[in-house]
Amino acid sequence: NAGVMQNPRHLVRRRGQEARLRCSPMKGHSHVYWYRQLPEEGLKFMVYLQKENIIDESGMPKERFSAEFPKEGPSILRIQQVVRGDSAAYFCASSPRNTGGDSGANVLTFGAGSRLTVL
Amino acid sequence: KQEVTQIPAALSVPEGENLVLNCSFTDSAIYNLQWFRQDPGKGLTSLLLIQSSQREQTSGRLNASLDKSSGRSTLYIAASQPGDSATYLCAVRPEGDYKLSFGAGTTVTVRA
Repeated sequence: NAGVMQNPRHLVRRRGQEARLRCSPMKGHSHVYWYRQLPEEGLKFMVYLQKENIIDESGMPKERFSAEFPKEGPSILRIQQVVRGDSAAYFCASSPRNTGGDSGANVLTFGAGSRLTVL
Repeated sequence: KQEVTQIPAALSVPEGENLVLNCSFTDSAIYNLQWFRQDPGKGLTSLLLIQSSQREQTSGRLNASLDKSSGRSTLYIAASQPGDSATYLCAVRPEGDYKLSFGAGTTVTVRA
């Protein structure tokens, strides 16, 4: 089991370009969560997706950011017209089902992250 | 809104000393609390998870305690080793929710 796979691990973009970050959840996991870690800060929730559905995007900036999790293929976090403030580590996590239930065993597995640097 | 604070932000100890890392949270209505380890440029590794009904969890040299009513958790690492050098993150999960609230972490350096 390869775990949660994220790529690219490092991405450099100039202001105004687009960034696409990909996340393949663990085998058997159908729920994906994206978190962002700004320098010197804790991870902050961005969005929760299931296959072909955005369940909760309350933590995602209203403009320039979008996420998808298609029926086939990885989940993608897309940032359009990047600005320097978008420089951060973006982490993806997956679970076999919603972890809001009573099962304590259903915790998130995190990927290694994608580090975006905007010049 | 849940606020998670970790003190100290950084810690440097000689090899062999015991480590004590603190985490506090403002809303005691939590489902569980989790400690993670983050190595530079790497992902998060889950170390210990404590359910809200539990007082502590142990794994090898690691022991985590939880005092839900006072909003505190402590991670103890016994007999520290240079390989323990990393950033340790505390995360709480609210009751009935899936969104984790993370602290900013404590960066630990164990000197050989």
